[in-house]
Amino acid sequence: GESVGLHLPTLSVQEGDNSIINCAYSNSASDYFIWYKQESGKGPQFIIDIRSNMDKRQGQRVTVLLNKTVKHLSLQIAATQPGDSAVYFCAENVERGKLIFGQGTELSVKP
Amino acid sequence: EAGVAQSPRYKIIEKRQSVAFWCNPISGHATLYWYQQILGQGPKLLIQFQNNGVVDDSQLPKDRFSAERLKGVDSTLKIQPAKLEDSAVYLCASSLSGDGYTFGSGTRLTVV
Repeated sequence: GESVGLHLPTLSVQEGDNSIINCAYSNSASDYFIWYKQESGKGPQFIIDIRSNMDKRQGQRVTVLLNKTVKHLSLQIAATQPGDSAVYFCAENVERGKLIFGQGTELSVKP
Repeated sequence: EAGVAQSPRYKIIEKRQSVAFWCNPISGHATLYWYQQILGQGPKLLIQFQNNGVVDDSQLPKDRFSAERLKGVDSTLKIQPAKLEDSAVYLCASSLSGDGYTFGSGTRLTVV
């Protein structure tokens, strides 16, 4: 069935290091992908998105890579900061704006 | 611009009671979503509205959950009667054109 999953439930990095969060998706028809950051007690916050006609997209300190061949998505955070500590979700748009979310990866940044 | 507003922020009820959540989307956003997020999991879509019409409610447990968006703006989600497994955060989101979703802070429901 349709599902989006994450490889690692938790990730711990040192402040200043780069972080890589991975995601596998199963619906090859999905045309739009989003990474969200969710802090405790808050709703998901948009980080960056990418359409299926692209392989890479860069934002401020974040980069999303899309590999459609293996249906894999990754989020790279450069120079990770304590404020980046949160749960990160990938989501795919399967049809008509319907978002399917993965399980999430909890990122912990050690000072 | 103002974000997606939800109320209440927290609600504790006993099982078999009823509860309602309210959402005010970003002005002009035609599409509104209700998601259920169980602790430790990603949000799961319950229902999607386009203006005041339902686009997708395939994951909504219709024997106990109902939602409406009568004037194409505000929306309410109701649970009656509640079960213990309904304990979760209920998130509302809106979008202008099917992407660029904005989420509210959610309502945390505890059923005891």
